[in-house]
Amino acid sequence: DAGVIQSPRHEVTEMGQEVTLRCKPISGHNSLFWYRQTMMRGLELLIYFNNNVPIDDSGMPEDRFSAKMPNASFSTLKIQPSEPRDSAVYFCASNPGQGMYEQYFGPGTRLTVT
Amino acid sequence: AQSVTQPDIHITVSEGASLELRCNYSYGATPYLFWYVQSPGQGLQLLLKYFSGDTLVQGIKGFEAEFKRSQSSFNLRKPSVHWSDAAEYFCAVGEVGSSYKLIFGSGTRLLVRP
Repeated sequence: DAGVIQSPRHEVTEMGQEVTLRCKPISGHNSLFWYRQTMMRGLELLIYFNNNVPIDDSGMPEDRFSAKMPNASFSTLKIQPSEPRDSAVYFCASNPGQGMYEQYFGPGTRLTVT
Repeated sequence: AQSVTQPDIHITVSEGASLELRCNYSYGATPYLFWYVQSPGQGLQLLLKYFSGDTLVQGIKGFEAEFKRSQSSFNLRKPSVHWSDAAEYFCAVGEVGSSYKLIFGSGTRLLVRP
């Protein structure tokens, strides 16, 4: 079974550029979560989807961040324009639903904004 | 609101010694509880979970955890630590009533002395 797939694994970009992070959840999973991890703030939940519908985006830091889930097998997190303080590791996780709370994490995308 | 506390930011143990990582949660009913491990440069990997039943749960890599309702705790244990266990460990509780959202503790970094 393929786990959660994220791309790219590493992204280096200049301030002001648009960045798009991609995630493919585990097949059959109903919920998808985007997290950000930094040394200073730890692991933060940005947004999550259930059956492709955004449920809670209160963790999205500002309007520069947006996320979409056009279908059950694909999600994107976009930052436009990017800033150096957005540098972090971004994780995607999926959950099977049906009463099960465990989440399965992807390997993460390490974003560096210079 | 539910919360998770991991009181130890860092723990250092010698290889071969026993390990206990502490986790306390706040929730009125029986919670869904999890331990995750994150090795450097990796995503979070599920070690074990507790939903109900036997309060001592076994996980992967020789880890176990015990749910103690009276102490609101779910401590992680391993009888003999290996150098490869050096990582960060996160305790999490399922936020009941949400779409499978997890509340994570701040993590405990385990260092293993040779």
